[in-house]
Amino acid sequence: EVQLVESGGGLVQPGASLKLSCVASGFTFSDYWMSWVRQTPGKTMEWIGDIKYDGSYTNYAPSLKNRFTISRDNAKSTLYLQMSNVRSEDTATYYCTITKGAYWGQGTLVTVSS
Amino acid sequence: DTVMTQSPASMSTSVGERVTVNCKASQSVGTVVAWFQQKPGQSPKRLIYLATNRHTGVPDRFTGSGFGRDFTLTISNVEAEDLAVYYCLQYDSIPLTFGSGTKLEIK
Repeated sequence: EVQLVESGGGLVQPGASLKLSCVASGFTFSDYWMSWVRQTPGKTMEWIGDIKYDGSYTNYAPSLKNRFTISRDNAKSTLYLQMSNVRSEDTATYYCTITKGAYWGQGTLVTVSS
Repeated sequence: DTVMTQSPASMSTSVGERVTVNCKASQSVGTVVAWFQQKPGQSPKRLIYLATNRHTGVPDRFTGSGFGRDFTLTISNVEAEDLAVYYCLQYDSIPLTFGSGTKLEIK
């Protein structure tokens, strides 16, 4: 059974950094592109970016490219999202997905507030 | 960016009825569109990929159609468990973009 389990969310102050993780199981992680998607409290869905199966290439939403970094560790079947200089508008539930949304994790909530 | 204009924002229907959700892309995306269902308190689940292909295990009550700029998700014989928000996604070009969602309520 495919499982994606995100972690690392919580309450953070504006300007801080945060690293989210997504542990995968039930499939061969190193064979798949992986993506991060976020959903705002108002339920708007926003694609953040994705990473090639071997970690050699990434794509990002232009509006987030300068602050967010996606990486992976295939030996640990883990996907990461490094967020820097967070803002209140980054408050959202963050999901990892296989390729372009084939399967989703349960999400981790990030709240940016002082 | 490709804008996905989704309609209606919400709809109410009865069990056994048929409903349609529409997405219009601001430019052609071929058939590179997916549809997702998000039930209350859950994460999204893919229903349809490449415009017309059902994801594994998705009932054949759910049908996707369209090409180019206009796409439709049709739910036939609606069941009470179909209460959810439905989203379209284009993944033809970067950045990937979602529709704004359609909330389906069951009378």
